[in-house]
Amino acid sequence: EIVLTQSPATLSLSPGETATLSCRASQSVSNNLAWYQQKPGQAPRLLIYGAYIRATGIPARFSGSGSGTEFTLTISSLQSEDLAVYYCQQYNNWPPWTFGQGTKVEIK
Amino acid sequence: EVQLVQSGPEVKKPGESLMISCKASGYSFTSYWINWVRQTPGKGLEWMGRINPRDSQTNYSPSFQGHVTISADRSVNTVYLQWSGLRASDTAMYFCARHNWFDPWGQGTLVTVSP
Repeated sequence: EIVLTQSPATLSLSPGETATLSCRASQSVSNNLAWYQQKPGQAPRLLIYGAYIRATGIPARFSGSGSGTEFTLTISSLQSEDLAVYYCQQYNNWPPWTFGQGTKVEIK
Repeated sequence: EVQLVQSGPEVKKPGESLMISCKASGYSFTSYWINWVRQTPGKGLEWMGRINPRDSQTNYSPSFQGHVTISADRSVNTVYLQWSGLRASDTAMYFCARHNWFDPWGQGTLVTVSP
């Protein structure tokens, strides 16, 4: 089973700043990595798939990068509505598909 | 609009059976796998398994194999998640989601198992 490790666990930033979230895989997942945003009380929402491809309707200030075992989600010009937990997920090796434990983004 | 709409919250006792549903609309139901994901405060998001609605082929996570059953009914564009003997540890929010990268997600079904 591929283990995804996200860091940091919590990120506290002010509006307008840039958030950098990391996801490290225990073995290569090629580009088969997705990022999700989960706001309080809601289902997760797809942000990025294929490591860097933005899903339909996702603002350009969300960007993904990386391949193999190291991935980054960058949120530029942070807004109050970005308060959420962000998860990475690999769909390269199964069973099972696996998720990271999440990074909570707090807005100061 | 592509949508997955799940059935409502459930409260059950240990040992009881349960089936929850996920109804798809807005796309060709047989064109994409549907997954089930469990969310708990302690273990985060866990992929449970998936089904291909075209031929009902299923894959399960080893952690859930034998404890749950995933099925589909093409006549009503609906996928199901079933337990034959619930445990207290099955208390969780359950989501369905389409494709390998999960998009969209259903709104979630809260299952509570308590004596």
